Amino acid sequence: SAVISQKPSRDICQRGTSLTIQCQVDSQVTMMFWYRQQPGQSLTLIATANQGSEATYESGFVIDKFPISRPNLTFSTLTVSNMSPEDSSIYLCSVEDWARGKNYGYTFGSGTRLTVV
Amino acid sequence: AQKVTQAQTEISVVEKEDVTLDCVYETRDTTYYLFWYKQPPSGELVFLIRRNSFDEQNEISGRYSWNFQKSTSSFNFTITASQVVDSAVYFCALSEDDYKLSFGAGTTVTVRA
Repeated sequence: SAVISQKPSRDICQRGTSLTIQCQVDSQVTMMFWYRQQPGQSLTLIATANQGSEATYESGFVIDKFPISRPNLTFSTLTVSNMSPEDSSIYLCSVEDWARGKNYGYTFGSGTRLTVV
Repeated sequence: AQKVTQAQTEISVVEKEDVTLDCVYETRDTTYYLFWYKQPPSGELVFLIRRNSFDEQNEISGRYSWNFQKSTSSFNFTITASQVVDSAVYFCALSEDDYKLSFGAGTTVTVRA
């Protein structure tokens, strides 16, 4: 199955600053997904990132706050901009996992645990 | 509207007991996929199963089994002979034709020795 390297694994940031999270996949994928998991909550999709086009954002998430880059088929970044304590969450990237014609579901990165102080 | 409902917030069992996690979903699509994920205290999400809407066969994998019933829009998950290592949050999720995952709220399972 696909292997996703996500970094940083955790960070503590000052309010008003920005943090860029990186995800590298060991295979080419069409779509990459970014999720947020607030403390004690479920996962919520932030946006879908396709290579060569603008990311598609879900309701409640905007590009100015969560700009996404997708420069090639194996890499994507999510930036959390102008952070406030409410942005403290785990951020995860995900890809649909295919190998030799078999679907292994969606694989997730190990997550970035962000604390904004 | 919530697409995936996991009504059980927390379940606590003693080791070796069976535990069943409920998942009810809502969709108008005829083609969709259902998933279960495990999130242990370490935080990573572990894929357990993917089931498409046309395959209603129940599935068993070791101590895990899944019961998919389209008639009741349910995809329940049973852990047989639970172990302490099964303690985690379990999420049920739905994917429709847009490939996005909609997660349920999760059920926290605590297995006591």
